[in-house]
Amino acid sequence: GNSVTQMEGPVTLSEEAFLTINCTYTATGYPSLFWYVQYPGEGLQLLLKATKADDKGSNKGFEATYRKETTSFHLEKGSVQVSDSAVYFCALSLYGGGSNYKLTFGKGTLLTVNP
Amino acid sequence: NAGVTQTPKFQVLKTGQSMTLQCAQDMNHNSMYWYRQDPGMGLRLIYYSASEGTTDKGEVPNGYNVSRLNKREFSLRLESAAPSQTSVYFCATRGVTGELFFGEGSRLTVL
Repeated sequence: GNSVTQMEGPVTLSEEAFLTINCTYTATGYPSLFWYVQYPGEGLQLLLKATKADDKGSNKGFEATYRKETTSFHLEKGSVQVSDSAVYFCALSLYGGGSNYKLTFGKGTLLTVNP
Repeated sequence: NAGVTQTPKFQVLKTGQSMTLQCAQDMNHNSMYWYRQDPGMGLRLIYYSASEGTTDKGEVPNGYNVSRLNKREFSLRLESAAPSQTSVYFCATRGVTGELFFGEGSRLTVL
């Protein structure tokens, strides 16, 4: 079956530090890949996505590149801010026939950024 | 433009009581989902509806029922609540390129 594995947290950084959150996947087929962010007390929001190999998704200074050869989609940001403190989820979506899409989430990584 | 709206946002139930969580979307999406989120477990799919008139079980359907009332609305019902159903519940719709749009969540406590 499909699965997403992301690094376990919590991750604690100082403001302006470099961030990497690792994400690897297994899937039968060619999935689309996503990073979602969840701020305290809120629902998940799409942060960025990539729909095919070698695509780079980017948003709000975050980037992730779809690497088919290593089945990875690592999230990076060059300089984190306190406001980036949140839980980050890696996810994949795979077409399952008809109107069905199979979505699989990682377990989430809590990021805390200290001033 | 509200997106995905869930009600209620908070609910406390006693064991054995029933309740329905409501979800409505104004994004004209076909697919809708119900997830539960528990600490250390990530998101787990309860039920989904690929289109109006169809529903299917996800990973953890036991103890729940759903209704896709029309294209906009997808409700989740707990017939006899149990403490193990204490969780945060999220409704979501799927966009045309596969991304999900989530509601703000419904926090349920079963005593």
